[in-house]
Amino acid sequence: DQQVKQNSPSLSVQEGRISILNCDYTNSMFDYFLWYKKYPAEGPTFLISISSIKDKNEDGRFTVFLNKSAKHLSLHIVPSQPGDSAVYFCAAGAGNNRKLIWGLGTSLAVNP
Amino acid sequence: NAGVTQTPKFRVLKTGQSMTLLCAQDMNHEYMYWYRQDPGMGLRLIHYSVGEGTTAKGEVPDGYNVSRLKKQNFLLGLESAAPSQTSVYFCASSYFDRKPYEQYFGPGTRLTVT
Repeated sequence: DQQVKQNSPSLSVQEGRISILNCDYTNSMFDYFLWYKKYPAEGPTFLISISSIKDKNEDGRFTVFLNKSAKHLSLHIVPSQPGDSAVYFCAAGAGNNRKLIWGLGTSLAVNP
Repeated sequence: NAGVTQTPKFRVLKTGQSMTLLCAQDMNHEYMYWYRQDPGMGLRLIHYSVGEGTTAKGEVPDGYNVSRLKKQNFLLGLESAAPSQTSVYFCASSYFDRKPYEQYFGPGTRLTVT
């Protein structure tokens, strides 16, 4: 039973437009959410995070929105660039155990 | 800083052989993790460690053993490799208190068991 779900395996966007990646979760105990980016043949790299006490966190072109009532978060990339083409993973954590539960990832292609 | 490094990058094993994957981090992180990534399965936690000399099981620990004799190193062992252990293995590390959920990953080890 997946506790963190990324229902879109892939997304294609034109350069300069907005990319929106979605993530749903089922466990209301999650109190921290992260997005990671992964290029082929590399390990995931941390992108942006949000605590459950916030509903928005912004870092440059990347913004994460959290809707706790809907158990939904989204990552917005504006404007999208070809270098953003990668697999994006949503992950969630709860309490002090430091373990993350990961979604299956969404492959983003930004076309020039 | 090298960050998180993994050795080896690639390995092919025959069924029943054993091997050890080495992970090293130079960020003085307290926590270290071993994951495997398989197509359509995302990242799954095998074992993790909250400090030198301590280890704990993750989601998929069977068939693997780990050791953390030094703070900077985390070893993953396969005693008798099986084809089901063909995967890409990632090591990660994180701080205990500063940004504890932000894990830093190594480049991965691609293991094939024939």
